[in-house]
Amino acid sequence: GAGVSQSPSNKVTEKGKDVELRCDPISGHTALYWYRQSLGQGLEFLIYFQGNSAPDKSGLPSDRFSAERTGGSVSTLTIQRTQQEDSAVYLCASSLTSGGPDTQYFGPGTRLTVL
Amino acid sequence: KQEVTQIPAALSVPEGENLVLNCSFTDSAIYNLQWFRQDPGKGLTSLLLIQSSQREQTSGRLNASLDKSSGRSTLYIAASQPGDSATYLCAVKSGGSYIPTFGRGTSLIVHP
Repeated sequence: GAGVSQSPSNKVTEKGKDVELRCDPISGHTALYWYRQSLGQGLEFLIYFQGNSAPDKSGLPSDRFSAERTGGSVSTLTIQRTQQEDSAVYLCASSLTSGGPDTQYFGPGTRLTVL
Repeated sequence: KQEVTQIPAALSVPEGENLVLNCSFTDSAIYNLQWFRQDPGKGLTSLLLIQSSQREQTSGRLNASLDKSSGRSTLYIAASQPGDSATYLCAVKSGGSYIPTFGRGTSLIVHP
């Protein structure tokens, strides 16, 4: 079956521009996570969606970052007025639910480069 | 706050060796622990998930153990192959949190 997909796979943008990153989770998965992975760093949690509940935005690094999840499926991560320090790989993961033993399945990531 | 540490950060072994990767965590009240591999430029692939009530899980040449009381998990790879070369990460989901905490990973190179 189809896994988690992300688009674009690569994005190069100029400092100050806005970017949108898309994540298509596995069908039926109610939990969706966004992470950021910078060179030489571990995975940094950004935001988490569970069904129709209010998202946990506690990991967003600044108010330039926002995310939506429409219809409990596709999610979009938006970064406004991009800065060079935003350059990283942005990973999306989904799981059947958020509690207990459920396995997280990751997408291939979007590599963002801010010039 | 849960903290996850992986040792060693990097490992290089000849093909055929059995090896152990370590993951330690500070808060033993966990829901589960998951091991992933990440190939360069790729996302994470789940290898094994151990629930808090379990002691170990096995898949092929991989065996993961969990000792909550000591805050440790090990990933054992038998008869390593060059195709096992990747970064291995562990992630701990703690009680009361839906957000897993990831270690920084162990970068493994298996040379022919």
